[in-house]
Amino acid sequence: GAVVSQHPSWVICKSGTSVKIECRSLDFQATTMFWYRQFPKQSLMLMATSNEGSKATYEQGVEKDKFLINHASLTLSTLTVTSAHPEDSSFYICSASWTGGTEAFFGQGTRLTVV
Amino acid sequence: AQTVTQSQPEMSVQEAETVTLSCTYDTSENNYYLFWYKQPPSRQMILVIRQEAYKQQNATENRFSVNFQKAAKSFSLKISDSQLGDTAMYFCAFMKRPTKLSFGAGTTVTVRA
Repeated sequence: GAVVSQHPSWVICKSGTSVKIECRSLDFQATTMFWYRQFPKQSLMLMATSNEGSKATYEQGVEKDKFLINHASLTLSTLTVTSAHPEDSSFYICSASWTGGTEAFFGQGTRLTVV
Repeated sequence: AQTVTQSQPEMSVQEAETVTLSCTYDTSENNYYLFWYKQPPSRQMILVIRQEAYKQQNATENRFSVNFQKAAKSFSLKISDSQLGDTAMYFCAFMKRPTKLSFGAGTTVTVRA
């Protein structure tokens, strides 16, 4: 199947700083990428959907200014957590697909810890 | 919006035995896709099996099979000959194009030696 690479796998940052997470499709053109947040032993919560070259569509309750999503190319989407706080600590997962696709492919996830 | 319900938070099964995970969903769509994903402790999402709604035949992948009841909006997963490596959290997911997934709450499966 198609490969999606997410980087970094884990990151620790200080409260008040920003951190960027990258999601890359390695062998296909990802016209759509999705960003999820997952708390321990819970399901994946969709944060936003991004289409290449367009502004991301955020789910209700997700702060657009805190979670900046950029999908500038067909192989890369980034999630930037701005002015991070301890409550932003979580596991973030991206998935990607192509136009007309019937399956989404997941990155390995990023464990963010804000101290 | 589509809702996906997994009513079993945890399941335990003896190695080599069979376990069935339940999933129901609610939709007004006629064409859609259903998936079961496995999330082991590494937290990588792994596709276990998929089912196209227009196909009546139940999907099978080695030891994994589904019972898809479209009219009842039910999509259960059967794991046969359970192995220790099957220990993971399992998510049922619904998708209609363009590839937006709705996940159930998940079922934690523990395989006992």
